[in-house]
Amino acid sequence: KAGVTQTPRYLIKTRGQQVTLSCSPISGHRSVSWYQQTPGQGLQFLFEYFSETQRNKGNFPGRFSGRQFSNSRSEMNVSTLELGDSALYLCASSFPSGSYNEQFFGPGTRLTVL
Amino acid sequence: AQKVTQAQTEISVVEKEDVTLDCVYETRDTTYYLFWYKQPPSGELVFLIRRNSFDEQNEISGRYSWNFQKSTSSFNFTITASQVVDSAVYFCALSEVLSGYALNFGKGTSLLVTP
Repeated sequence: KAGVTQTPRYLIKTRGQQVTLSCSPISGHRSVSWYQQTPGQGLQFLFEYFSETQRNKGNFPGRFSGRQFSNSRSEMNVSTLELGDSALYLCASSFPSGSYNEQFFGPGTRLTVL
Repeated sequence: AQKVTQAQTEISVVEKEDVTLDCVYETRDTTYYLFWYKQPPSGELVFLIRRNSFDEQNEISGRYSWNFQKSTSSFNFTITASQVVDSAVYFCALSEVLSGYALNFGKGTSLLVTP
């Protein structure tokens, strides 16, 4: 079975721009979660989607948003980028329906904001 | 407040030594889950183990073992006869009902195993 895939793997943007990251979960997984990893704050939960609905949300500003499609693929969007948004963004999927099961992570998208 | 504390920021050992990574957590939930993940230099988080709060049995998987003690709110991870390939950052994480089961990670312990 293919693992979680994320595209693109690397991204360079400038302040004020917006960015969209994509995540394809493991086949059959319906829950997708997003995490931000920075050297200062560590790994922080952004949000979780299940059956196209946001089921849980972390403590991030409204500039961070996401969505999930009917095939469980998910995208996250960051608008009006700030330097502090530079991070590794990790996507994780889980089965059958609860995030309390083990979450399988993708390789991440490394975003650099200049 | 930090819910998961990994007090050891960096550990360096010589190959074949045993090493224990500490994890202390804090929760008000009676039902919760604890996890360990490994993050090699490639960046991808690799799932190692999940434990629920009702299962305090220790777990052994090859050279890896985990000690879960509710009385001290600890979930420690031991690598026996460490190898260079064990070099990575290891994260302990807590999943609670109160937080919608989102993974709450510790800051991680960077383990370096030298030949």
